[in-house]
Amino acid sequence: AQKVTQAQTEISVVEKEDVTLDCVYETRDTTYYLFWYKQPPSGELVFLIRRNSFDEQNEISGRYSWNFQKSTSSFNFTITASQVVDSAVYFCALSEFQGAQKLVFGQGTRLTINP
Amino acid sequence: DSGVTQTPKHLITATGQRVTLRCSPRSGDLSVYWYQQSLDQGLQFLIQYYNGEERAKGNILERFSAQQFPDLHSELNLSSLELGDSALYFCASSASTGVSYGYTFGSGTRLTVV
Repeated sequence: AQKVTQAQTEISVVEKEDVTLDCVYETRDTTYYLFWYKQPPSGELVFLIRRNSFDEQNEISGRYSWNFQKSTSSFNFTITASQVVDSAVYFCALSEFQGAQKLVFGQGTRLTINP
Repeated sequence: DSGVTQTPKHLITATGQRVTLRCSPRSGDLSVYWYQQSLDQGLQFLIQYYNGEERAKGNILERFSAQQFPDLHSELNLSSLELGDSALYFCASSASTGVSYGYTFGSGTRLTVV
C-alpha cells in the first residue's frame, strides 16, 4: 500500500528564514511519481513540482528547492528566504505509475510566515 | 485558470438532501478524477473516469456516485447527505489515464451540510 507521511503538522517562522518541509513515502512500486502542492487560504491546489522515481536530481526553482532521496524514501521541500505569501498548507503526494495513477496525499503541513 | 472548471464553487444544503457537483475537464483531457478534502480524512481519492467509463474507485461511499458524459464533463452525485459530508470536493483531469500525462486540479466545490 502507498502512504505519505508529513510529520510536521504546523510550522511557523519569521519572514526571510529558510524552512524545510519533510515528506516520507512508502510504496512497493519501483516506478512512481512524487508531487508537491500548495493550498493557499483561497483553497485551490497549486501544483509545484512532479518528480519521477528515476530522477533523483535535486531541483531548484527560484526560492524553492526539492531534495529527493530514494535511499530514505524522502522528498523534502525547502523554501529559502521565506515570504508572507508563502503561508499556505503544503501537501506532498505519491502516485503509482501503473493503473489509475491516483494521488495519495500526506496530511499536509500548515506553514505560517510571520512578518 | 487551470482549465478545469468546477461548479458550483459553494453549496449549502441540509442533511438528507441530494446534490450534484459538476466538473468540466481541461480541453482534450479524457480522464477525470474526484477527490474529497475533509478535516477528518484529509485529501482522498474518490473515483476516476476515463472516456466515459469508470476506471478506479477509492474511498467513495455508496451514497455517492459519479458519471462521465459523452462530452467528457463529469458529475458527482451525493445523496442522503450527512453533516460529515461537508468538505471541499476537487476534480482533476489528465490527458490519458494518469499523472504521467499531467494532472490538473479545478478550484473545488465547497459543500456545507447543515
